[in-house]
Amino acid sequence: QVQLVESGGGLVKPGGSLRLSCAASGFTFSDYYITWVRQAPGKGLEWISHISNSGGDMYYADSVKGRFTISRDNAKNSLSLLMHSLTAEDTAVYYCARLTAVVLGLFDYYYMDVWGKGTTVTVSS
Amino acid sequence: DIQMTQSPSSLSASVGDRVTITCRASQSISNYLNWYQQKPGTAPKLLIYAASGLHRGVPSRFSGSGSGTDFTLTISSLQPEDFATYYCQQSDSSPFTFGPGTKVDIK
Repeated sequence: QVQLVESGGGLVKPGGSLRLSCAASGFTFSDYYITWVRQAPGKGLEWISHISNSGGDMYYADSVKGRFTISRDNAKNSLSLLMHSLTAEDTAVYYCARLTAVVLGLFDYYYMDVWGKGTTVTVSS
Repeated sequence: DIQMTQSPSSLSASVGDRVTITCRASQSISNYLNWYQQKPGTAPKLLIYAASGLHRGVPSRFSGSGSGTDFTLTISSLQPEDFATYYCQQSDSSPFTFGPGTKVDIK
């Protein structure tokens, strides 16, 4: 079935680095943009990055720009998020989600219709 | 960046109640507005896209409306499985910001 599975979370010290992965199955991965969304403990959802289907365009929230890098390997149906200079504020559950476009009239509408279960990142000394 | 607000931040309701949640964008986003439901410990689920489009498999008691800056999610008759937190999200321009959420719990 259509599925996204995150991995790579864990405990990391402040200033450290971590790479998260997202494995896709059940759909043509190379047809879709993919996003990362995070949720700090007890807080709301924060969109942090997305990457175009070809991997040629990437977007970042200001909170992670310059520290996080999103990439994808369409041959392996996988997505990565490389995180550097981590702080306590990066502690969160990290979700990858498929960004689907629907054409209504002349316009494209994007929404996140498939989500992974999330992987937890804890930044603490 | 486009800022999203929601009201109320929480509400208590009973099974069978009609529930309305409001979302407001800091600038016009046409109808580039999605709604998600999240239950504790689980990933969000898409309910509504493009302000009023019902995602497949979502019960018809959920509906969305609005355009420009003001949007509404309505649950026509609240069911036990609807107690959750609801988020709006704009997809007009990056970053695709979320609202802060509205928690719906049992009265």
